[in-house]
Amino acid sequence: GIQVEQSPPDLILQEGANSTLRCNFSDSVNNLQWFHQNPWGQLINLFYIPSGTKQNGRLSATTVATERYSLLYISSSQTTDSGVYFCAVYGNNRLAFGKGNQVVVIP
Amino acid sequence: ETGVTQSPTHLIKTRGQQVTLRCSSQSGHNTVSWYQQALGQGPQFIFQYYREEENGRGNFPPRFSGLQFPNYSSELNVNALELDDSALYLCASSSSTSGYEQYFGPGTRLTVT
Repeated sequence: GIQVEQSPPDLILQEGANSTLRCNFSDSVNNLQWFHQNPWGQLINLFYIPSGTKQNGRLSATTVATERYSLLYISSSQTTDSGVYFCAVYGNNRLAFGKGNQVVVIP
Repeated sequence: ETGVTQSPTHLIKTRGQQVTLRCSSQSGHNTVSWYQQALGQGPQFIFQYYREEENGRGNFPPRFSGLQFPNYSSELNVNALELDDSALYLCASSSSTSGYEQYFGPGTRLTVT
């Protein structure tokens, strides 16, 4: 199956700092999604981004499908950005998830 | 637009018992997928249902089974529960017309004792 690797696994940020999360995947895919998992476990959709660049407020994402990677940018981080970020790629009728990026933003 | 809902929220079962989890898909979506998330891990694909038929299955034993109903809602059944089945079970709905972008429900947290 498709392998998804996320880096860094853990990240501690000072409030106001910027950060980049990376997702590498092993095969061509139909689509790619970024999620934020809240403390209660729900996966919140951040981006559906099979290719190109999208922005939503302080978050933006870029996927380079030909090179099999995606980046999630967090600018001017806030404590509410804390949590686990997952990259997931869709192929063969399923999402394959990475292990996540655990982000802690300290005030 | 109604989002994905799941029931129950929490459940405690004893090893060897059977459990049924339920999911209602987002309006306009015809495909439902189930995922298992163990503590500290990413979600793992269990299976997908489309037009009431299983449309893909992950590496889970046959005691994990499912159903999809004509209104696109779905059930996940697990027989002969084991301690390792303790996890968060997530349901996602999607549609072929929107590129299979997955929308997740709040999950059911299952504890097996």
